[in-house]
Amino acid sequence: AQTVTQSQPEMSVQEAETVTLSCTYDTSENNYYLFWYKQPPSRQMILVIRQEAYKQQNATENRFSVNFQKAAKSFSLKISDSQLGDTAMYFCAFMKHGTGGGADGLTFGKGTHLIIQP
Amino acid sequence: KAGVTQTPRYLIKTRGQQVTLSCSPISGHRSVSWYQQTPGQGLQFLFEYFSETQRNKGNFPGRFSGRQFSNSRSEMNVSTLELGDSALYLCASSLAPTYGGGRDFGAGTRLSVL
Repeated sequence: AQTVTQSQPEMSVQEAETVTLSCTYDTSENNYYLFWYKQPPSRQMILVIRQEAYKQQNATENRFSVNFQKAAKSFSLKISDSQLGDTAMYFCAFMKHGTGGGADGLTFGKGTHLIIQP
Repeated sequence: KAGVTQTPRYLIKTRGQQVTLSCSPISGHRSVSWYQQTPGQGLQFLFEYFSETQRNKGNFPGRFSGRQFSNSRSEMNVSTLELGDSALYLCASSLAPTYGGGRDFGAGTRLSVL
């Protein structure tokens, strides 16, 4: 089974600053997907960014980028020019390739509560 | 496009009762999965359905069951409710179980068991 660890329960930064959320995972799989999801107070989970393990290039989506270190099993999320609307819970998630996750589905970390201060 | 729709948004039940939650996926999505979210355990995978068949199942007791209809809509049933079943239940849809593009989630059903 896979495990996903997010070591920062809560982070707070000022608007316009850059913030990095940490995520590490443990797996014996070689092919997999990694995701960052955002869950605002409205509760709706929103996909922020995804990374395929066999791609070495780090994924980027506008102000969001990842630092994927496969050997270290690390997958951090960087948010540039943070905005008040970025305030939310952020979950790191893992999914095995080819099976839809199998019996684990998407495996989530416990989340990081990110607060953007005005 | 319309998103994933979950009904109802809130439910209050008492111990021993049973409950049915509904999920309508995004049009064209044929895979529906369910997750339980609690403060203590976080997000846990319940099961996934594709083409009306359960394809994957998490580690939950048999009181938790589901089904999928020919139009891809899915229902989740919990029988003999326990206090510990109080949680936010999230439904997610995707094109297929193996789709690596991520899942689209609904807003969830908040279940309170008294």
